[in-house]
Amino acid sequence: EAGVTQFPSHSVIEKGQTVTLRCDPISGHDNLYWYRRVMGKEIKFLLHFVKESKQDESGMPNNRFLAERTGGTYSTLKVQPAELEDSGVYFCASSQASLSGRGNEQFFGPGTRLTVL
Amino acid sequence: KNQVEQSPQSLIILEGKNCTLQCNYTVSPFSNLRWYKQDTGRGPVSLTIMTFSENTKSNGRYTATLDADTKQSSLHITASQLSDSASYICVVSAGFSGGYNKLIFGAGTRLAVHP
Repeated sequence: EAGVTQFPSHSVIEKGQTVTLRCDPISGHDNLYWYRRVMGKEIKFLLHFVKESKQDESGMPNNRFLAERTGGTYSTLKVQPAELEDSGVYFCASSQASLSGRGNEQFFGPGTRLTVL
Repeated sequence: KNQVEQSPQSLIILEGKNCTLQCNYTVSPFSNLRWYKQDTGRGPVSLTIMTFSENTKSNGRYTATLDADTKQSSLHITASQLSDSASYICVVSAGFSGGYNKLIFGAGTRLAVHP
């Protein structure tokens, strides 16, 4: 079974340009998460989809970031216009819903390394 | 403020030796605590998950402990191998209704195992 995949693996763009990151979750996983790790910092939550709906977008840094998950399958994260501080590694994760106390195990993709020059 | 702190920041050990990584957290409402291994250029991979009532969990040479009273956890690696070189991330899950969990990440401990 394929894991979570992300595209591209690396992206180098100039300040002011637009970049779109894509995440394909594990088939059948309704939950999809976006995270970001900026240089030297811990991974931080950006937002969470349940199917095509945004469950929690409290971690989105500002309105230059737009996430979509049309049809509840793959998701895109667009940064427009990109700023220098947007550089980092963007991770996507997916999980099945779980009602147990253990919560839902999240499976991570390899990440997209974004460099804004 | 929800926070997860890890120590040490980095660690170098010789192959075959044991080591213990530490994690302290202040997260509410607590749901579970996870340890992830992240190899360079890869996404984090789950090693263990412990709920409030579990105080130890093993996965091969990895053993995690949890003290929910003191809000501390440790990850012990036995008989280290070169392939254990990676970042180890402590992640605490804040649980909300409907089975939704929000993950709070520590900054990780970077482990290097030398021959």
